[in-house]
Amino acid sequence: AQSVTQPDIHITVSEGASLELRCNYSYGATPYLFWYVQSPGQGLQLLLKYFSGDTLVQGIKGFEAEFKRSQSSFNLRKPSVHWSDAAEYFCAVAGGTSYGKLTFGQGTILTVHP
Amino acid sequence: NAGVTQTPKFRVLKTGQSMTLLCAQDMNHEYMYWYRQDPGMGLRLIHYSVGEGTTAKGEVPDGYNVSRLKKQNFLLGLESAAPSQTSVYFCASSYRSGQGALSYEQFFGPGTRLTVL
Repeated sequence: AQSVTQPDIHITVSEGASLELRCNYSYGATPYLFWYVQSPGQGLQLLLKYFSGDTLVQGIKGFEAEFKRSQSSFNLRKPSVHWSDAAEYFCAVAGGTSYGKLTFGQGTILTVHP
Repeated sequence: NAGVTQTPKFRVLKTGQSMTLLCAQDMNHEYMYWYRQDPGMGLRLIHYSVGEGTTAKGEVPDGYNVSRLKKQNFLLGLESAAPSQTSVYFCASSYRSGQGALSYEQFFGPGTRLTVL
């Protein structure tokens, strides 16, 4: 069965600082990987996805993520955080079903200090 | 395009009451999903549908029923609400690519916050 672990429940950074959110997955084959962002009171918005090819993927809002098969990781990064990036971030994995099941991590809450 | 919409946005129920949550999508997507979101647990799949007239159970289906009579709508029902069903409910949809393969990319609605007293 596939699973996703986001080790950090809550991260606080200063505005302008760099950011890395960790995501580890468990899946037997090549996974499809996603990062979603959820602003307070809102639905989930797709930031980026990895299906195959280049292991460094670019997303919206200046985010990027790197797929590392040897470490079973798909960490999300941003070089300079803006106050508007404060939100909850979810990593998800898909694959192995005929109906597109997504398995989500527990989420990481990002707080940005001015 | 409105994308995925959910009705209502908020609801308070008493234990034992019933209600239906409506999800609508205008993207002509084949697949639709209902999730619940609880603190520290991410999103968990309740039920899903791979097409009009078909539904199936997800990870946490107990206490819920669904129907997909029209391709654009996916209804989630609670027949006898319990406090354990207090949660935020999200609907999502997905599509097949041009080659017919499942895209795996899901589009989410804004959510319904349900409180059961």
